[in-house]
Amino acid sequence: DADVTQTPRNRITKTGKRIMLECSQTKGHDRMYWYRQDPGLGLRLIYYSFDVKDINKGEISDGYSVSRQAQAKFSLSLESAIPNQTALYFCATSDYPSNEQFFGPGTRLTVL
Amino acid sequence: GQNIDQPTEMTATEGAIVQINCTYQTSGFNGLFWYQQHAGEAPTFLSYNVLDGLEEKGRFSSFLSRSKGYSYLLLKELQMKDSASYLCAVRDLYSGGGADGLTFGKGTHLIIQP
Repeated sequence: DADVTQTPRNRITKTGKRIMLECSQTKGHDRMYWYRQDPGLGLRLIYYSFDVKDINKGEISDGYSVSRQAQAKFSLSLESAIPNQTALYFCATSDYPSNEQFFGPGTRLTVL
Repeated sequence: GQNIDQPTEMTATEGAIVQINCTYQTSGFNGLFWYQQHAGEAPTFLSYNVLDGLEEKGRFSSFLSRSKGYSYLLLKELQMKDSASYLCAVRDLYSGGGADGLTFGKGTHLIIQP
């Protein structure tokens, strides 16, 4: 079984819709992250959480919100999706003081 | 802010050696990472450098010079499966993401030819 899972793996939605991407992990890590990846722009950090009570904005948080429901679950929401949010979204986890982040398989989101 | 530069694309031959360079500018450097990403898949960790010098791990080695803001990833005995994107990432104590958040370069797409 995968240590970091994301659902859905693919999603097509329309402009203005609210959508939630979910991430679950069985690694027991406290730290979780959401990134988006766009061609030519690389991976960019949206939000991160160091524990259930700690949520922080990353480089590009506008238009997104997150919820850390439990140590193992970290959800990303697009309140009102717009076409430029079309991207590949990755969840990642790490455990201090480890130097490695473990990535989920990604969610490919298309906003029409 | 940070600026991370790496070549967009490189081509190499199966069995050969290739060096992928990465330069960076950061105010609170706290480590440099290399990740491998096959098309449509998740990035996977390759190496970590925080002190100057060379770290070797099998066919892959990574070098860091903090004074020059420079790193490279060296891949030896290239195999077709090494065709992938290679992402350089820097951890900065003063960036978003705290002590763990990474800022990624745009990646180098490596093409291995027979």
